[in-house]
Amino acid sequence: GNSVTQMEGPVTLSEEAFLTINCTYTATGYPSLFWYVQYPGEGLQLLLKATKADDKGSNKGFEATYRKETTSFHLEKGSVQVSDSAVYFCALMKNQGGKLIFGQGTELSVKP
Amino acid sequence: GAVVSQHPSRVICKSGTSVKIECRSLDFQATTMFWYRQFPKKSLMLMATSNEGSKATYEQGVEKDKFLINHASLTLSTLTVTSAHPEDSSFYICSGRELSSYNEQFFGPGTRLTVL
Repeated sequence: GNSVTQMEGPVTLSEEAFLTINCTYTATGYPSLFWYVQYPGEGLQLLLKATKADDKGSNKGFEATYRKETTSFHLEKGSVQVSDSAVYFCALMKNQGGKLIFGQGTELSVKP
Repeated sequence: GAVVSQHPSRVICKSGTSVKIECRSLDFQATTMFWYRQFPKKSLMLMATSNEGSKATYEQGVEKDKFLINHASLTLSTLTVTSAHPEDSSFYICSGRELSSYNEQFFGPGTRLTVL
């Protein structure tokens, strides 16, 4: 079946460090891929998405590239800030308007 | 982005009672709403999908008589946990999707349910 696997957290970084959160997926065909972020006390927000192979989603300095050959959608940011501390969820959607399938979430803590 | 609210944000109830959680889309019409359950350190698990004016579609393993979902208007869906037990304690999250944004769901902040 369809599934998403993320790296275990929590991830603790110093401010301005480079961030990578790994995400791999299992699905047939070409799902759409998403990263959501959940700040403390708030709902999930869409961070970025990619709908086809080799697409790069980007937003707020975060990037992720849809890699069909490695079934991956790793999240990266060159220089994290304390305000990036949150839980990050990778997700896939198999069909347009279909249900989202989430990874287990990765908690990021950025220290000053 | 579009805003979804949930009420209450946290609730504590006694075993055997029923609890209703409201999910409202504040600035858009949610033709479809989704209800998720999230356990500690775990992913969000989709419980059911509801389209306005229709019966909800439940995921495999989710008891529809225990988790009653009503989506009577384009801005309100409710989840009622009937005869709650301690194992129903969890974080419940709703999301809404409008007809024009087929790929994007807007999430509420969640409701923490504790059953004693």
